[in-house]
Amino acid sequence: DTEVTQTPKHLVMGMTNKKSLKCEQHMGHRAMYWYKQKAKKPPELMFVYSYEKLSINESVPSRFSPECPNSSLLNLHLHALQPEDSALYLCASSQDGTRSEKLFFGSGTQLSVL
Amino acid sequence: GQQVMQIPQYQHVQEGEDFTTYCNSSTTLSNIQWYKQRPGGHPVFLIQLVKSGEVKKQKRLTFQFGEAKKNSSLHITATQTTDVGTYFCAGNQAGTALIFGKGTTLSVSS
Repeated sequence: DTEVTQTPKHLVMGMTNKKSLKCEQHMGHRAMYWYKQKAKKPPELMFVYSYEKLSINESVPSRFSPECPNSSLLNLHLHALQPEDSALYLCASSQDGTRSEKLFFGSGTQLSVL
Repeated sequence: GQQVMQIPQYQHVQEGEDFTTYCNSSTTLSNIQWYKQRPGGHPVFLIQLVKSGEVKKQKRLTFQFGEAKKNSSLHITATQTTDVGTYFCAGNQAGTALIFGKGTTLSVSS
């Protein structure tokens, strides 16, 4: 069982919808991540929050908007997505974001954009 | 930019056979990590290697980090059906984000 919890597990949305993905961890980790994974591909880093501050944005389109309300929670707000944004969205956490730490992944949200 | 290559992309074995996946970086890495993702699942951390020439074992799994810290391998002895999944290496230089290799998908027939 993962200690990083993601909701919802599945999401279907239209291109005009606004939705949010949620992630929660209670391991006391101070770094949280969003990854995007297409089928049969490796996870691609999108955002990193370290001590509740955005430390990495890998040139992600503005239709994806991350938010870190506190050290345990991470959200990803979605607006005006495209069908090619359909993918598995993985949240991860690590101790304090020193780049060489092991990552704990959540089970992911499987997103379909119609 | 930094790249992490992984081969083979796919490997099918008979149960009981050995399996190896290789990871190569274009630059010297500060550490290499290995993850396993079961079909329909999420990546799960297996091990981290940080020292040149380091070898670590977990039951039937043996992990190596090259002397130049540019390559790594994962070897599974006597595969079982529970070993099925995609194995990713991931590495980084100091201060940079972790880069994942493309993964090796292992299938095992009994």
